[in-house]
Amino acid sequence: KNQVEQSPQSLIILEGKNCTLQCNYTVSPFSNLRWYKQDTGRGPVSLTIMTFSENTKSNGRYTATLDADTKQSSLHITASQLSDSASYICVVSGGDKIIFGKGTRLHILP
Amino acid sequence: DADVTQTPRNRITKTGKRIMLECSQTKGHDRMYWYRQDPGLGLRLIYYSFDVKDINKGEISDGYSVSRQAQAKFSLSLESAIPNQTALYFCATSPGQLGAFYGYTFGSGTRLTVV
Repeated sequence: KNQVEQSPQSLIILEGKNCTLQCNYTVSPFSNLRWYKQDTGRGPVSLTIMTFSENTKSNGRYTATLDADTKQSSLHITASQLSDSASYICVVSGGDKIIFGKGTRLHILP
Repeated sequence: DADVTQTPRNRITKTGKRIMLECSQTKGHDRMYWYRQDPGLGLRLIYYSFDVKDINKGEISDGYSVSRQAQAKFSLSLESAIPNQTALYFCATSPGQLGAFYGYTFGSGTRLTVV
């Protein structure tokens, strides 16, 4: 069954700290994996996209990694800011399928 | 102006009423989608359209219908709203062909409450 599992469901950290969000998938065939950021009351916005041959991709303080062999991805946030408080959604595409994870809710405390 | 505009942003309606959610886009994308988001369940696909003459059901289409009035407009209707259709609804667009690679552009969502 094609699935995308994200962990943790929610996370609370202090401003300035780093954190890592996880995404495991069983989607096959695999085309690409994308991380979205969704602010409260807004639509998701793409942060990064990774294809099979890419291991790491950065977007400012966000760094995504992909291990296509173990079918795992992570999103690392460095020096968190209050504006990082949001849901982060992992989306895996392959063939004619686009599978959404349920997201990780991140809260940054001042 | 936003690339993908949804109206209304918020709506409260009564059980049994017909309601239409509208979506318009200025991206020039062929593909448009309607998703529903519920707490703890993530985004689920209701309907999608690859062009004006193409409409396809998603995983949770029961109780919903759609109309693609033009390349830029895609509306979602609830013929007879029920309380478990209370949710956040998103319209999204993507380019044709390599849509999955280029990802979605989402609207800001419509929060629908059925009482």
